[in-house]
Amino acid sequence: DTAVSQTPKYLVTQMGNDKSIKCEQNLGHDTMYWYKQDSKKFLKIMFSYNNKELIINETVPNRFSPKSPDKAHLNLHINSLELGDSAVYFCASSPPGLAGSYNEQFFGPGTRLTVL
Amino acid sequence: RKEVEQDPGPFNVPEGATVAFNCTYSNSASQSFFWYRQDCRKEPKLLMSVYSSGNEDGRFTAQLNRASQYISLLIRDSKLSDSATYLCVVNKGGFKTIFGAGTRLFVKA
Repeated sequence: DTAVSQTPKYLVTQMGNDKSIKCEQNLGHDTMYWYKQDSKKFLKIMFSYNNKELIINETVPNRFSPKSPDKAHLNLHINSLELGDSAVYFCASSPPGLAGSYNEQFFGPGTRLTVL
Repeated sequence: RKEVEQDPGPFNVPEGATVAFNCTYSNSASQSFFWYRQDCRKEPKLLMSVYSSGNEDGRFTAQLNRASQYISLLIRDSKLSDSATYLCVVNKGGFKTIFGAGTRLFVKA
């Protein structure tokens, strides 16, 4: 039933570790996104993929690497985790349309990452 | 200047009150506009799109003023369940969507 799902929901890890977050959507959407929401609740786009192609790559450290094996999945791998990476990471998807404009984004439940 | 700015609040209002939120955006070429709602520790969800002609959905009314580059959301007859953070969202064209930092609303009995 779940439209956009993410795993894990919570992730607690040590500085310097490498971790991955997975996202899957069963809505048949072409476009998927990763957002970071920090402690000040500011939601900022990190990456966007359309039909498995990277179309938005904001000024994110290259320790963050997204991978889209197919249109329904967008995973996020983070190398050498730092304290500042602690945040909630949301995956989202949107249906095809005018290059993403005017289209609602459907969000996953979020992954709360804590780096110790 | 931030691309999308909102008054962070919090707005504390009694049940039944009318409350209005404003949001300004800096890019005059922005194409589409939305209000999302985010409950505590939950994901954002679309509340309503915002059109130039203004639009209404039950107790919620959204307005867009392109000349002044601001968007508003009016909530009438506030309910306890309206307590949440309201995010102003602007699409600059293409796939780039900018979220405001949100305005927190607390509706009390």
